Amino acid sequence: GENVEQHPSTLSVQEGDSAVIKCTYSDSASNYFPWYKQELGKRPQLIIDIRSNVGEKKDQRIAVTLNKTAKHFSLHITETQPEDSAVYFCAAIYSGNTPLVFGKGTRLSVIA
Amino acid sequence: EPEVTQTPSHQVTQMGQEVILRCVPISNHLYFYWYRQILGQKVEFLVSFYNNEISEKSEIFDDQFSVERPDGSNFTLKIRSTKLEDSAMYFCASAGTGSPGELFFGEGSRLTVL
Repeated sequence: GENVEQHPSTLSVQEGDSAVIKCTYSDSASNYFPWYKQELGKRPQLIIDIRSNVGEKKDQRIAVTLNKTAKHFSLHITETQPEDSAVYFCAAIYSGNTPLVFGKGTRLSVIA
Repeated sequence: EPEVTQTPSHQVTQMGQEVILRCVPISNHLYFYWYRQILGQKVEFLVSFYNNEISEKSEIFDDQFSVERPDGSNFTLKIRSTKLEDSAMYFCASAGTGSPGELFFGEGSRLTVL
């Protein structure tokens, strides 16, 4: 089955700096890669996703890149703000009836 | 905006007791999932449900667990005889046929087993 590795496990950045979180996946059939943000005590919320027919996607301050050959994808947050502090999970799925598999999460702290 | 709703938000139970966690998925969604998250750890897949049957389950989902869709709206997770290690946040999620990988999560049910 699919295995998703995520790094780093914790990340501290100064407000205004960029943050990058990286994930690798094992199943070359996976073709959908969402990123979830989870604030303390709350549910994971989808913040951005990318499909395997696209190499990069951007939504305001967040962007995701995908390298299918290397089987890795990354989340980039620019101009970080304190409210970006949360745990971020990457995930991968072969779209269809297979389960979404999550990475172990990255705790991002943005220091004002 | 439609949401996945879960009840109860928090349940405390004694070890060995049965627990039922309830979920109402988004109304036009057809894929349903249960995930769990032990405090401070990652979100782990338990089971997926489609077309009125389990489509996949993880090794966590042993004989103590069962799922049911008793009517057109509810989706339940039953833990038959709870253990201390079942203490976790349980998230229900649903997905539509257009984007089956795009999961929408409920707020979660926190289960504490004493």
